[in-house]
Amino acid sequence: SQQGEEDPQALSIQEGENATMNCSYKTSINNLQWYRQNSGRGLVHLILIRSNEREKHSGRLRVTLDTSKKSSSLLITASRAADTASYFCATDPDLGYSTLTFGKGTMLLVSP
Amino acid sequence: SQTIHQWPATLVQPVGSPLSLECTVEGTSNPNLYWYRQAAGRGLQLLFYSVGIGQISSEVPQNLSASRPQDRQFILSSKKLLLSDSGFYLCGLGQGPRLYGYTFGSGTRLTVV
Repeated sequence: SQQGEEDPQALSIQEGENATMNCSYKTSINNLQWYRQNSGRGLVHLILIRSNEREKHSGRLRVTLDTSKKSSSLLITASRAADTASYFCATDPDLGYSTLTFGKGTMLLVSP
Repeated sequence: SQTIHQWPATLVQPVGSPLSLECTVEGTSNPNLYWYRQAAGRGLQLLFYSVGIGQISSEVPQNLSASRPQDRQFILSSKKLLLSDSGFYLCGLGQGPRLYGYTFGSGTRLTVV
């Protein structure tokens, strides 16, 4: 079943602008992860944020996590055409072995 | 560094034919291994995961099966494919997955005709 739900489903911006994607989930998590998928390719891990963390940065990426609202956001600053891809959030449950449940993703188009 | 190999990249198979997709990993030992499927325009659905040789957990009841005959080999199989088995199949590797996330292979696009 799908746990993470990304919003918006699609986002179109110009190079240099910031892109914000949101993710909501339903159950308790150990961590939440964001992945990027270029068209027809495999997924690339971007960032992992644990349930006891509120914010994390990696280069031009900033992720926030609000466990009380069961939501997360991914901010890409100063976007580039090469950032064009689909972005997925994935939740890792707070029990047993690590397994990821993915949302349907946000398609980001960055125009030059 | 750890790498994951998945083949073939594309596959067209008739309904009722068998399937075998192979995934092998390098540069790590005793990893968690995963098979996911992505239908067109959708997120990934977990099919199977394995935490060790011969240990397979199935998440979705269907006509697919998985095996892990060696530590670094994970195989997805079917005896008779259905049209609904079409999709993009991804093998994933988790080594310290709750610290570092997963590494995914390049995927196999399966079309059942």
